[in-house]
Amino acid sequence: DAKTTQPTSMDCAEGRAANLPCNHSTISGNEYVYWYRQIHSQGPQYIIHGLKNNETNEMASLIITEDRKSSTLILPHATLRDTAVYYCIVILGFYNQGGKLIFGQGTELSVKP
Amino acid sequence: DTAVSQTPKYLVTQMGNDKSIKCEQNLGHDTMYWYKQDSKKFLKIMFSYNNKELIINETVPNRFSPKSPDKAHLNLHINSLELGDSAVYFCASSHRGDWARRGEQYFGPGTRLTVT
Repeated sequence: DAKTTQPTSMDCAEGRAANLPCNHSTISGNEYVYWYRQIHSQGPQYIIHGLKNNETNEMASLIITEDRKSSTLILPHATLRDTAVYYCIVILGFYNQGGKLIFGQGTELSVKP
Repeated sequence: DTAVSQTPKYLVTQMGNDKSIKCEQNLGHDTMYWYKQDSKKFLKIMFSYNNKELIINETVPNRFSPKSPDKAHLNLHINSLELGDSAVYFCASSHRGDWARRGEQYFGPGTRLTVT
């Protein structure tokens, strides 16, 4: 599975968009980009995932560059409740037995009033 | 309705004891997992079961034994507990059949195990 690199921490003003970058330069053609977050003392929460195209759901948008070597998770209007550690994970789809997730250190996002 | 539930939420026990953590999911998923999050917050997969069959078994001591009585349950039994077993244990589930969403997992609230 491809390795990911994320900034250790980021700040964002409440109400503004939070843009969380992730580098995955060794990603292969059949590997997906997944984003999770973990709010303090809670279980990780699935946010969104994509393969090649940009994706949007009720929580966030995922922008994947054309060469797929990096991606950005966008929280359009960050709230204090979005303060959490955000993990970018790259995994194989079809060939990945059981959907094994490998969590890195993630980005600690602090949303400030 | 809680999608993935774990019991107990907190577990304090002494070294050498045997304990179990239970997990149940009501999402109709066919795959369940156990993850361990240590004091440094690193989250690591331990086991995965698909339709009651073990499919992922990371380098975990033999003292840890998962048991899946049915697709909706995956319990974790730990023998001869050691200080280093203190951590938060998370259960998760997913639908393995949809390979495009194989990484979409839903986690329980965690069980904080403290070994004294």
